[in-house]
Amino acid sequence: AQSVSQHNHHVILSEAASLELGCNYSYGGTVNLFWYVQYPGQHLQLLLKYFSGDPLVKGIKGFEAEFIKSKFSFNLRKPSVQWSDTAEYFCALQTGANNLFFGTGTRLTVIP
Amino acid sequence: EAQVTQNPRYLITVTGKKLTVTCSQNMNHEYMSWYRQDPGLGLRQIYYSMNVEVTDKGDVPEGYKVSRKEKRNFPLILESPSPNQTSLYFCASSSRQGLVVSNEQFFGPGTRLTVL
Repeated sequence: AQSVSQHNHHVILSEAASLELGCNYSYGGTVNLFWYVQYPGQHLQLLLKYFSGDPLVKGIKGFEAEFIKSKFSFNLRKPSVQWSDTAEYFCALQTGANNLFFGTGTRLTVIP
Repeated sequence: EAQVTQNPRYLITVTGKKLTVTCSQNMNHEYMSWYRQDPGLGLRQIYYSMNVEVTDKGDVPEGYKVSRKEKRNFPLILESPSPNQTSLYFCASSSRQGLVVSNEQFFGPGTRLTVL
């Protein structure tokens, strides 16, 4: 069975600090990977996705993620966070014809 | 504007009183899905539909029903709601290529349900 782990439940950073949120998955086959963001009181929005090709994917708002197949990881990064990045971040896995499996989320608080 | 809409956005009800949460998308997507979001548990899939008249259970289907009579609509039905169904519910849709659900899922704004 597939699963997604996000070990950081709550991350607190000051503005301009660098961010890395961990995401590890468990599945032996081909995967599609996503990062979604949920701003306070809003619905989920896609930050970036990986289907194939270059394992370093760039998304919106300066976010990027690197797919490392050997480590089953898809960590999200941003070199310099802003107060407006305060949100909850979800990593998600899609396998074959199946559906999305979400991690439990990481709440990011950016202090001005 | 391409979007997924849900109604109502907020609902407070009592145990056992049947309710329906509607979901509609205007993107001609084949695939639609319902999730519930609970603190510390992330999003868990309730039901999904690969096309009209094709529905299947997700990870947490107990206590829910769905129907897909039209492509654009995918209502979520709680026949006899209970307090453990108090949650934030999201509907999502996506296009398909053949058997594969491809590309991103577009999410609705959410419905916050409280069952007393």
